[in-house]
Amino acid sequence: DTAVSQTPKYLVTQMGNDKSIKCEQNLGHDTMYWYKQDSKKFLKIMFSYNNKELIINETVPNRFSPKSPDKAHLNLHINSLELGDSAVYFCASSQAGEYNQPQHFGDGTRLSIL
Amino acid sequence: QKEVEQNSGPLSVPEGAIASLNCTYSDRVSQSFFWYRQYSGKSPELIMSIYSNGDKEDGRFTAQLNKASQYVSLLIRDSQPSDSATYLCAFMDSNYQLIWGAGTKLIIKP
Repeated sequence: DTAVSQTPKYLVTQMGNDKSIKCEQNLGHDTMYWYKQDSKKFLKIMFSYNNKELIINETVPNRFSPKSPDKAHLNLHINSLELGDSAVYFCASSQAGEYNQPQHFGDGTRLSIL
Repeated sequence: QKEVEQNSGPLSVPEGAIASLNCTYSDRVSQSFFWYRQYSGKSPELIMSIYSNGDKEDGRFTAQLNKASQYVSLLIRDSQPSDSATYLCAFMDSNYQLIWGAGTKLIIKP
């Protein structure tokens, strides 16, 4: 009974293509996040969505666009993929607005650009 | 600029010993601090959270928080090879967003 699930787990594609990663959470949380973890293992926040509204966008190129059809889903669409986009992308969720609520992570999507 | 500083390691500890992981943070108003463990190729998983000054114990893990010194640590007693992982420190800022350290790689040697 997975709490935060993302698909696909692996994504190998060529430069210039457009791809999407899906994320769903069944924890009833109201905020979802996308992180990028590069080869140096540093977790960088890309987006967070609270009640379908974007509340953070950390200098991410506009080739990346989050889409949230409802509060249980936050998908990530990437246009014109570049070599530097190769990384692991993690989806997470939490009950925001409360200081004692940690984030729960999905298993990650390993994106490789050829 | 909000920051979390961690020694990247690797930190090598013999099996059965105490592993001590340290973290400093820049945001004086932060109230929530978290330790996550990440095995190679896996996602981060929460192992400890701490909100008040002092110690918090959970099994073999003890988190220590000193807000005056802006310092949080994680002690792992009776270290096991299965504790070998990267440990990520994070604090929650005033916008309820987590600010992450780069992680400390811990190696427990049998």
